[in-house]
Amino acid sequence: SQTIHQWPATLVQPVGSPLSLECTVEGTSNPNLYWYRQAAGRGLQLLFYSVGIGQISSEVPQNLSASRPQDRQFILSSKKLLLSDSGFYLCAWSSGQGANEQFFGPGTRLTVL
Amino acid sequence: AQSVTQLGSHVSVSEGALVLLRCNYSSSVPPYLFWYVQYPNQGLQLLLKYTSAATLVKGINGFEAEFKKSETSFHLTKPSAHMSDAAEYFCAVTRSSGNTPLVFGKGTRLSVIA
Repeated sequence: SQTIHQWPATLVQPVGSPLSLECTVEGTSNPNLYWYRQAAGRGLQLLFYSVGIGQISSEVPQNLSASRPQDRQFILSSKKLLLSDSGFYLCAWSSGQGANEQFFGPGTRLTVL
Repeated sequence: AQSVTQLGSHVSVSEGALVLLRCNYSSSVPPYLFWYVQYPNQGLQLLLKYTSAATLVKGINGFEAEFKKSETSFHLTKPSAHMSDAAEYFCAVTRSSGNTPLVFGKGTRLSVIA
């Protein structure tokens, strides 16, 4: 069966510090991968998605970036965090076939102080 | 372009009462539709999905949803609410062809009163 991991689970960072969140998927090959953010009291915002290694689509311009160095690894980064980057970050994967339903990881709670 | 509208950001029901969460979609092509549930500080869990096989879809935890093309709706129901149903619910849509991300609604928070 497939499993998706995210770490860290929680993170508290000062403004201006760098960020690296990691997501890995097990039990599948060539998945589509996604990064979402949930700000307090708001819905899901799609940040990036990838249909293959090195292929990244950015949905919202901001000070975040994503990379996919391996087939089942997706990394969300920032060089300098802003207060507005605080939120709950969710990684998801899908097969890219059929209904293409997405399966979500447990999330990372980021607080920028 | 596709979109989803969830009517009511917050719904409150009594334990044992009917749960009805509303979702209307917009799509220029035949859609696939989904309902997800999110408990506090957790990821989203797929409740059910519509992929054109049957208009009435049954999911986990006693939930079901009916696809109504004429009304462009995909409302989520459960006959009898349980305290454990308290969570955030998201409706989502995607194209039935092509490899595109799901488009999510803004969510509905369900509260269950004892």
